[in-house]
Amino acid sequence: NAGVTQTPKFQVLKTGQSMTLQCAQDMNHEYMSWYRQDPGMGLRLIHYSVGAGITDQGEVPNGYNVSRSTTEDFPLRLLSAAPSQTSVYFCASSLYFSSATDTQYFGPGTRLTVL
Amino acid sequence: SQQGEEDPQALSIQEGENATMNCSYKTSINNLQWYRQNSGRGLVHLILIRSNEREKHSGRLRVTLDTSKKSSSLLITASRAADTASYFCATDAANAGNMLTFGGGTRLMVKP
Repeated sequence: NAGVTQTPKFQVLKTGQSMTLQCAQDMNHEYMSWYRQDPGMGLRLIHYSVGAGITDQGEVPNGYNVSRSTTEDFPLRLLSAAPSQTSVYFCASSLYFSSATDTQYFGPGTRLTVL
Repeated sequence: SQQGEEDPQALSIQEGENATMNCSYKTSINNLQWYRQNSGRGLVHLILIRSNEREKHSGRLRVTLDTSKKSSSLLITASRAADTASYFCATDAANAGNMLTFGGGTRLMVKP
């Protein structure tokens, strides 16, 4: 299994540009999520999905859209990039997300700079 | 605001010493997890402790949970240079639905 993969690894955007960060997992996990990590800080949840067709907002959803058309893929869209969105973005997945709380498997991250 | 907060923010020790990191959280939880992040990499799960457990071991790792104090500690015994990383606690708050909330992390440096 490749686990959780993310593309691209690095991206530089200009203010106002849009782009999609890709995330895929091949473990048949139900739960997928996107986090952003700013320097010296922990991860903040942007959006998450408990299954295909179901998404919900996390702690910092503004400026981002997601969709979950398949179990495997969970793309994150930046509609109009702003310098405040400069960060490292991590995608994560887990088999289930119940009160037993599964181990989260993280991708390698996408380092985004918005000029 | 962050549910979990780690203490200290940074820790530097010599190889062979023990490292202790603490995590405090604000609301009732179902579970608490510890993750490790090497520089420039994604997070890797270390251990999960449920709210009805008080202590858990995994190799050189020992995690304790005190729900009355809303705190957890991660002890790494006989540290190695390869343990150098950032360590994060993450909580599954009882009233937060399907959300896992991370603390700010402890940066551990183990000097050879």
